[in-house]
Amino acid sequence: QQQVKQSPQSLIVQKGGISIINCAYENTAFDYFPWYQQFPGKGPALLIAIRPDVSEKKEGRFTISFNKSAKQFSLHIMDSQPGDSATYFCAAISSGSARQLTFGSGTQLTVLP
Amino acid sequence: NAGVTQTPKFQVLKTGQSMTLQCAQDMNHNSMYWYRQDPGMGLRLIYYSASEGTTDKGEVPNGYNVSRLNKREFSLRLESAAPSQTSVYFCASKWEASSGEAFFGQGTRLTVV
Repeated sequence: QQQVKQSPQSLIVQKGGISIINCAYENTAFDYFPWYQQFPGKGPALLIAIRPDVSEKKEGRFTISFNKSAKQFSLHIMDSQPGDSATYFCAAISSGSARQLTFGSGTQLTVLP
Repeated sequence: NAGVTQTPKFQVLKTGQSMTLQCAQDMNHNSMYWYRQDPGMGLRLIYYSASEGTTDKGEVPNGYNVSRLNKREFSLRLESAAPSQTSVYFCASKWEASSGEAFFGQGTRLTVV
């Protein structure tokens, strides 16, 4: 049972284009939604995160859009660069004692030069 | 400041062998986690420790045991390795369970033949 569904599984974008990755969740106990970026041979690293009381958060070329009523959120990468080529994971953190991360299945992004 | 350190980086085991994956963090974090990463599955939580002295099962605990040796160290043990445990294992830590950012180690690539 996948609590956070992520799409697409892979994405190829031209340099300068916009990359869009979508995630959906069912568990209303989730109250924090981070995105992680992972380069080959490395562990995931936090990229950007949002709380459900905010509809959008922007950090540089990276923007999270959040739709609480639809239980969906997405990552937009503007002016995509070859250096953005990586695997991106959406995640959600549930309320509760340990507040562990639940990850989506990942999107492998390739930005062509 | 090393962050989260995992050893070993690579390991090949024969079916039925046992081994312990080591994880240590130097950030004085209270919460620590073990994930496994498989293609198309994202990262799935095996076990977590919300604080020193406590451990709890995650999504896929079968075949694994953990020990929170002290605040810094959280080890994962495979008592009798199976080919289905071939995966990349990541340890992560957070300052507090309520904090959103988790810091990941570089992973242990385990192959069970």
